[in-house]
Amino acid sequence: GAGVSQTPSNKVTEKGKYVELRCDPISGHTALYWYRQSLGQGPEFLIYFQGTGAADDSGLPNDRFFAVRPEGSVSTLKIQRTERGDSAVYLCASSMYKNPGNEQFFGPGTRLTVL
Amino acid sequence: GEDVEQSLFLSVREGDSSVINCTYTDSSSTYLYWYKQEPGAGLQLLTYIFSNMDMKQDQRLTVLLNKKDKHLSLRIADTQTGDSAIYFCAEIKDGNKLVFGAGTILRVKS
Repeated sequence: GAGVSQTPSNKVTEKGKYVELRCDPISGHTALYWYRQSLGQGPEFLIYFQGTGAADDSGLPNDRFFAVRPEGSVSTLKIQRTERGDSAVYLCASSMYKNPGNEQFFGPGTRLTVL
Repeated sequence: GEDVEQSLFLSVREGDSSVINCTYTDSSSTYLYWYKQEPGAGLQLLTYIFSNMDMKQDQRLTVLLNKKDKHLSLRIADTQTGDSAIYFCAEIKDGNKLVFGAGTILRVKS
């Protein structure tokens, strides 16, 4: 695709439910990142994949959050037992490994609302 | 991002220059970035600067970096109403993760 795509664009769920958010990176980009943006804040790093493996998951807030990238392309962010505090826009970005400037290109995000 | 600080709001008249300022904390950051976010849209990378540079110019955008003071600025010349957006400064940590400021809302009055 031309850019990073994310689905769904909006997700409304109830407290305690499980959700999955999907990211399709730019074709050929080996690195994939998840960030979370709360209202009025800048994005905060969650996890980074290089290929299929999570190279840095230090930003995941707790063990309810998990992400996978089984074939080194599409990634899914999974949130168990959602809480109201999980409401935010979840952003995905991708980049070419060792590209000059380490430029990360962002998708439009998934707005998650937990009622 | 508590490591990166920006002023919250800037208002300018159309045609004037805008200067958005940012301070960061990690002197080992190799790159520093400016992103733009319009309502309902994703983050758009505007420009970045390598840490061994003092200045980078790209059309109407000028980035100045003062590494000693860990200060970064973005100047937009001839600001247009289409430049109204939130601007985020970011530094890169551990080689890969971006740390963002809270963003500066730029309002351009016609």
